[in-house]
Amino acid sequence: EVQLEQSGAEVRKPGESLKISCKGSGYSFTTYWIGWVRQMPGKGLEWMGIIYPGDSDTRYNPSFQGQVTISADKSISTAYLQWISLKASDTAMYYCARHAVIGSISWSQHWGQGTLVTVSS
Amino acid sequence: EIVMTQSPATLSVSPGERATLSCRASQSVSSKLAWYQQKPGQAPRLLIYVASTRATGIPARFSGSGSGTEFTLTISSLQSEDFAVYYCQQYNNWPLTFGGGTKVEI
Repeated sequence: EVQLEQSGAEVRKPGESLKISCKGSGYSFTTYWIGWVRQMPGKGLEWMGIIYPGDSDTRYNPSFQGQVTISADKSISTAYLQWISLKASDTAMYYCARHAVIGSISWSQHWGQGTLVTVSS
Repeated sequence: EIVMTQSPATLSVSPGERATLSCRASQSVSSKLAWYQQKPGQAPRLLIYVASTRATGIPARFSGSGSGTEFTLTISSLQSEDFAVYYCQQYNNWPLTFGGGTKVEI
């Protein structure tokens, strides 16, 4: 059974750094694209970026380029989303999602449970 | 970036009725269109991919159609568990983009 297990909720102050994680299991972690989706409070879904853990090929949505870093450690089947300096506007639920087709950017059958990030002074 | 526009924003229906949700792409996405359902406090759930293929475990009352720029999700007879927000998403071009969502309410 494919599972994506995300790290727990975080509370940070503006200007602080943060790295959240998404551990994949039940499938070959290196052969599927996996990415991050933001959902701000009461709002819709936005793809932030995706990574192919097999070779670390990473694509960023231009709206998020330079604001976050996406990485993966294939030795522990875990993808990461990182901020160097958080803003209050980063307050949101963040989902990781795995694409469905081996080696291709496609639809997302499998989703993590979400990590709530709250940034407040 | 391909802009996905969903209509209506809110759809008020009664249990047992048919619901028709629309999704329009700003340029052709071929059949590379998925639909997701999201309930409060839950992650999105895949309903439809390749515009019209039901995902595993999705009831037959959910159906998708369309290609190019115009797509439709139909729920043939709404059940109580179907009241939720529905999103379309194109995966033809990066960045992948979602529509703004349609809330199906009682």
